[in-house]
Amino acid sequence: DIQMTQSPSSLSVSVGDRVTITCRTSQSISTYLNWYQQKPGKAPQLLIYAASSLQSGVPSRFSGSGSGTDFTLTISTLQPEDFATYYCQQSYSIPLTFGGGTKVEIK
Amino acid sequence: DVQLVQSGAEVKKPGESLKISCKGSGDSLTNYWIGWVRQMPGKGLEWMGIVDIGDSDTRYSPSFQGQVTISADKSISTAYLQWSSLKASDTAMYYCARFLQLGDGFDIWGQGTMITVSS
Repeated sequence: DIQMTQSPSSLSVSVGDRVTITCRTSQSISTYLNWYQQKPGKAPQLLIYAASSLQSGVPSRFSGSGSGTDFTLTISTLQPEDFATYYCQQSYSIPLTFGGGTKVEIK
Repeated sequence: DVQLVQSGAEVKKPGESLKISCKGSGDSLTNYWIGWVRQMPGKGLEWMGIVDIGDSDTRYSPSFQGQVTISADKSISTAYLQWSSLKASDTAMYYCARFLQLGDGFDIWGQGTMITVSS
């Protein structure tokens, strides 16, 4: 199985901050990496697919980068509605695994 | 708009069986895979397995193989997740989600089904 290591597990930030979340995989997955946002009591929502492609309807302040084993999700200017938990997920091989999540909290 | 509509919350006793559903509305799911994802209270997302709605090809996570059964009915665009004997540790929210082909992300998610197993 491909192991996913997300960091940090949580961070406290302010509205307007730039946020960077990293995801490392235990083996190379090319760009088969997706990012999701989950708000409390809600289903996850796809933000970024194929490492850097923005899902339709997702604000452009979200971006993704990386390939191989190291990936990054960036929120350029954090908005109040962005306080949530973010997960990476590899779609390279079965089992399709998720990272442990990063909770973005208000400072 | 395409939606995945899941069956409602359930409260069951240990040892009971259960089958929950995930139905596509607004579009056929025939060309899609449906995945099931578990989220235990206060925890992260765990991928359980997937089923190809078109031909019922099924793949499981080793962690869930033998613990659950995933199936599909193409004629009604519905995927299922079932247990033959529930345990208290099965208490969780279960989500279904759609993707087109291996390599893609899950682009549409169901609203979730909360399963509570308690004596």
